[in-house]
Amino acid sequence: NAGVTQTPKFRVLKTGQSMTLLCAQDMNHEYMYWYRQDPGMGLRLIHYSVGEGTTAKGEVPDGYNVSRLKKQNFLLGLESAAPSQTSVYFCASTPTSNTDTQYFGPGTRLTVL
Amino acid sequence: SQKIEQNSEALNIQEGKTATLTCNYTNYSPAYLQWYRQDPGRGPVFLLLIRENEKEKRKERLKVTFDTTLKQSLFHITASQPADSATYLCALDLDSNYQLIWGAGTKLIIKP
Repeated sequence: NAGVTQTPKFRVLKTGQSMTLLCAQDMNHEYMYWYRQDPGMGLRLIHYSVGEGTTAKGEVPDGYNVSRLKKQNFLLGLESAAPSQTSVYFCASTPTSNTDTQYFGPGTRLTVL
Repeated sequence: SQKIEQNSEALNIQEGKTATLTCNYTNYSPAYLQWYRQDPGRGPVFLLLIRENEKEKRKERLKVTFDTTLKQSLFHITASQPADSATYLCALDLDSNYQLIWGAGTKLIIKP
């Protein structure tokens, strides 16, 4: 099993550009999450999904959109990137509920100039 | 306001000693508390989960305590090794929604 994978690993954008981050898991997990991690701060939840076709807002959803068309994939989109979105983005999944262990991907380091 | 705090300063421990990391929180009533390890350039990896009605949980050289009165969890690594050097994150699970509340982490450095 590959677990949770994320693409790309690194990306540099100019302000106003758009991009999509892809998260894939091969563990048949129901729940998937997108977090951002900034220096000196805890992981902050952007959006999450409790199943295929469902998405919901987390703590910091502004400027991001998500889609979960297939159970194994969770996409995070930035429509018009801003320097404040420079961060490391992590995807995670859990089998059936939030009390389960969260399995994380390796992260995507995004820089917006 | 609601807060979760971990020591922001790095913790330097001599190899072989016990390392103790602290996670304090205010204005939450977590049902569970989880500890994760994060190495540079990698995603967090789950270590231990402790429930509100459990005082202590052990796994090999790791021990976690959970005091809901003090609103504090302690994470201990006994017989520490340089390979234990990493950042350790605590996360509160309120069991009332789908979110974990994360601390910023404490960097642990084990010196040989």
